[in-house]
Amino acid sequence: DQQVKQNSPSLSVQEGRISILNCDYTNSMFDYFLWYKKYPAEGPTFLISISSIKDKNEDGRFTVFLNKSAKHLSLHIVPSQPGDSAVYFCAASERPSGAGSYQLTFGKGTKLSVIP
Amino acid sequence: NAGVMQNPRHLVRRRGQEARLRCSPMKGHSHVYWYRQLPEEGLKFMVYLQKENIIDESGMPKERFSAEFPKEGPSILRIQQVVRGDSAAYFCASSPQGQGPHEQYFGPGTRLTVT
Repeated sequence: DQQVKQNSPSLSVQEGRISILNCDYTNSMFDYFLWYKKYPAEGPTFLISISSIKDKNEDGRFTVFLNKSAKHLSLHIVPSQPGDSAVYFCAASERPSGAGSYQLTFGKGTKLSVIP
Repeated sequence: NAGVMQNPRHLVRRRGQEARLRCSPMKGHSHVYWYRQLPEEGLKFMVYLQKENIIDESGMPKERFSAEFPKEGPSILRIQQVVRGDSAAYFCASSPQGQGPHEQYFGPGTRLTVT
């Protein structure tokens, strides 16, 4: 049972345009959401995050939007650059109980290709 | 400041052999998470450890898999009697003590191939 879903396996965007990556979740206990970027043969790199008490967080060219009622979040990259070409993972975390494990639940990823 | 180190980067084992994967956290980090990524899948949580303690192993298969994080040295993920289904990329992430979900820094992964 996938609790975090990225329904688009791939996305192609022209350089300079906006890239929009989508993510849906089913677990209403998630209270923190993150986006990771991953290049081949490397580990995921943290990109941007958002707490469930917010609906938007912006960091430079990257903005994450959260719609709690729809259990949906999206990552906007504008303007897109060729160096943004990578696999993007959406991840979510519950508020830990007891010992404090912030284990992350990941989607399957979306491969973004930015065409020069 | 060196990042999270994992070795080996690639590991080939025959069915029935043992696999040992090592993770050295970032300097000053005392917490380690292990995740597994099967082909065409996202990363899945396996286990969370502090020095000398397993805190959360809810994602760990019940048999053949074990993990440790000794007082000295790297964290070790051990898979006994490997099967073809264990072929995957195994990532560890280290975290400072008591920090939030965004404070997980991932290593480059170990790609295990079982032949």
